[in-house]
Amino acid sequence: NAGVTQTPKFRVLKTGQSMTLLCAQDMNHEYMYWYRQDPGMGLRLIHYSVGEGTTAKGEVPDGYNVSRLKKQNFLLGLESAAPSQTSVYFCASSFPRSRVNSPLHFGNGTRLTVT
Amino acid sequence: AQKITQTQPGMFVQEKEAVTLDCTYDTSDQSYGLFWYKQPSSGEMIFLIYQGSYDEQNATEGRYSLNFQKARKSANLVISASQLGDSAMYFCARDNYGQNFVFGPGTRLSVLP
Repeated sequence: NAGVTQTPKFRVLKTGQSMTLLCAQDMNHEYMYWYRQDPGMGLRLIHYSVGEGTTAKGEVPDGYNVSRLKKQNFLLGLESAAPSQTSVYFCASSFPRSRVNSPLHFGNGTRLTVT
Repeated sequence: AQKITQTQPGMFVQEKEAVTLDCTYDTSDQSYGLFWYKQPSSGEMIFLIYQGSYDEQNATEGRYSLNFQKARKSANLVISASQLGDSAMYFCARDNYGQNFVFGPGTRLSVLP
């Protein structure tokens, strides 16, 4: 029972490079999210998706793009990495928010360093 | 932006004692959910407990309970009989209908032997 799987676990990029973070869930969740975690700031929402083919901006979307081509996958892209994007990235999924007691299920995180 | 406040960046508690972690929130919604998550040093996010805004009773899950005071917009986490394994970051989060989750900055709990 995998739950939410993120790849890679660690990555080091040089400024200006691009990369894609992959997130897959096997719980048939409609909603998926990308958060970044920085010291003292909790988790901040980057983008989220309420279903296949739909995405929406969160609190800190600049510099990131996302795609949800399949229900089980949610991709986070950095087109031109900057040192300010050094962070730990978490993917999460949930049932629709109409099931209000449904918690977020998190992946184990990706630690990204941009030099 | 509607935010979550956790005023205690760090807390210490003696093993076997109870501890309360504070959480207050902004919202203009009538219906919402409140959640607490634990993040140990290994980094994963672990769901602990949920409270619905219309729930009349405070939520409990084993040693965890949620002291919900709707009028004060507070949702404090109470951990009874603390254990060394409870040492971690704890995050309070609020959910909006049809939208997403907002997290507080977290409280680092250290349990002393």
